[in-house]
Formats: sequence, structure tokens, C-alpha cells
Amino acid sequence: QKEVEQNSGPLSVPEGAIASLNCTYSDRVSQSFFWYRQYSGKSPELIMSIYSNGDKEDGRFTAQLNKASQYVSLLIRDSQPSDSATYLCALGFQKLVFGTGTRLLVSP
Amino acid sequence: DVKVTQSSRYLVKRTGEKVFLECVQDMDHENMFWYRQDPGLGLRLIYFSYDVKMKEKGDIPEGYSVSREKKERFSLILESASTNQTSMYLCASTRTGESGDSPLHFGNGTRLTVT
Repeated sequence: QKEVEQNSGPLSVPEGAIASLNCTYSDRVSQSFFWYRQYSGKSPELIMSIYSNGDKEDGRFTAQLNKASQYVSLLIRDSQPSDSATYLCALGFQKLVFGTGTRLLVSP
Repeated sequence: DVKVTQSSRYLVKRTGEKVFLECVQDMDHENMFWYRQDPGLGLRLIYFSYDVKMKEKGDIPEGYSVSREKKERFSLILESASTNQTSMYLCASTRTGESGDSPLHFGNGTRLTVT
């Protein structure tokens, strides 16, 4: 059984700061990792996917994967109040296993 | 853009009723999934399907069944609704990519309350 651990938060950062969200997992076989954003009352939407060790950047978002240490992180640069949401880490092969999410609060 | 449509946004049902949650996707995706989401427990997989008429149990299938008669439609059935099935239900779909991995696309969710 794969397990995905996230700190539930809330993680509070001021506007313009870097938000760092972390996720650890127990399954050494998983090859695909995803970050989803979920606004309150809405369904999750994909932000980033990462398959290889290292960093992957997309705009203000950077996903970092370290398979040896079994963690994946998401950095949000220049955080905006509109980034306030719950961020879900997920991994797996088509059938994804999700963490419980980290709530991010960005204050103006 | 992929569109995954869940037939109801909110449902209120009574204990013991048979409940149908419908999900349709318009992108010819092979794979479809039903999750439920509860505070503190995250998203948990109930059932999934890799093809028409095919179904596989997820992590919490007890009290649920599914039907996939057509590729675009995946139905979740609560045979006899109970109060502990009060939850947000999320349908998702994905294609089978070249690497076998493809992100999930979610519907808007159905918030079911069983009284």
C-alpha cells in the first residue's frame, strides 16, 4: 500500500514570498508524481507532473523530486493571495494515491 | 479541454435508498475512477475501470458498486445508502499515455448527504 504524507498546515506566507510544500512517500517503485491544487468547494486541478529526479519549472511553480530520499516538493515563487488553496501530492501509475493535502494561506 | 461532467452537484438521500451517481467524459479516455473525499482523510479510491464493462475495486469498495456500459460513462451505485457515505464524490478520467502515466481530470464533484 502506497502512502503519501503531507503536513496539513496551514502554511502561511506573505504575498510575494516563496511557498514551499513538501510530500514524502513510501513506495520506491512509483515513477510518476503530481501536484494538484484544490480551492475550497472545487475539484482538484493539475498543476505539475514530474517523473525524473531534479527540478521542473513551469512559470512560478517548481516541482522537485528526489527518489532516493522519497520526497517531492512544490515551490511557488512570488506567492499571490489567489494561490491560497489546498495542495495535493499524488503518485502512482494511472491509479493515483493522494496525500491529504497542505493548506496554503497567502496574506496580502 | 477535457470535460468530465457529474450529473448532480448536490444530492440529499435517505438511509436505505439506492443512489446513482453518474459521470460522463468527452475525451474518449480509457480509464475512469470514482473517489470520495472527506476532511482529514483526503481522496480515497472507491472503484476504477480501464475499459468498457471492466471494473476493479479500489481501496474502499464496501457498500458501492459501479457500471460502465459505455466508454464515456461511469456510474457509481450506493446499493443502500448509509449516513457514513455522506461525502464529496469525485469522478476522474485519464487516457492511457505512452508511458502509461497520465494525469487525472476531475469532474466538479457531487456532495452527497445521507440523512
